[in-house]
Amino acid sequence: AQTVTQSQPEMSVQEAETVTLSCTYDTSENNYYLFWYKQPPSRQMILVIRQEAYKQQNATENRFSVNFQKAAKSFSLKISDSQLGDTAMYFCAFNRNSGGYQKVTFGTGTKLQVIP
Amino acid sequence: EAQVTQNPRYLITVTGKKLTVTCSQNMNHEYMSWYRQDPGLGLRQIYYSMNVEVTDKGDVPEGYKVSRKEKRNFPLILESPSPNQTSLYFCASKVAGPSRETQYFGPGTRLLVL
Repeated sequence: AQTVTQSQPEMSVQEAETVTLSCTYDTSENNYYLFWYKQPPSRQMILVIRQEAYKQQNATENRFSVNFQKAAKSFSLKISDSQLGDTAMYFCAFNRNSGGYQKVTFGTGTKLQVIP
Repeated sequence: EAQVTQNPRYLITVTGKKLTVTCSQNMNHEYMSWYRQDPGLGLRQIYYSMNVEVTDKGDVPEGYKVSRKEKRNFPLILESPSPNQTSLYFCASKVAGPSRETQYFGPGTRLLVL
């Protein structure tokens, strides 16, 4: 079974600064996908970024980037130039790449507060 | 507008009174799933469905039932709710095929069981 661990329950960052959220996972699979989701106070789940395990290049989406270390099973999220709207809960998620099998495992989340 | 809808958004009920939370998507997605979110535990998968009439258990299926009679709908049924099912529930959908495709989440249903 897969497990996803987010070891930082809460973090804070000054506006315009950079922050990194950590995520580690455990799996015996070689091919899989990793996601970061953002959950603002509205409770809506919003995809931030995704990484395909077979790609060595780290994914980036504007101010969001990941540091994917496959051997270490680590998938951290870096937010640059933090904005007040980045205040949210962030969840790391793992999805096997197995045709018909769609069991997704989420981490416990990191609550990020951006301070003005 | 592509979306996943859930009803009701908020529900207060009493122990043992059967309830159904509906989920509907308008994107013709094959895959649908139910999660519950609890403080300190993140999101945990309850049930998922690969297509019509195809469902399977997630990590925490006890006390829940689902059905997938139509592609667009995936209701969550609590036959005899208990206080430990008080939670925030999310429905999600995605296209079949590569796991790289993201799930689209509904707005959530907050359930309180007294």
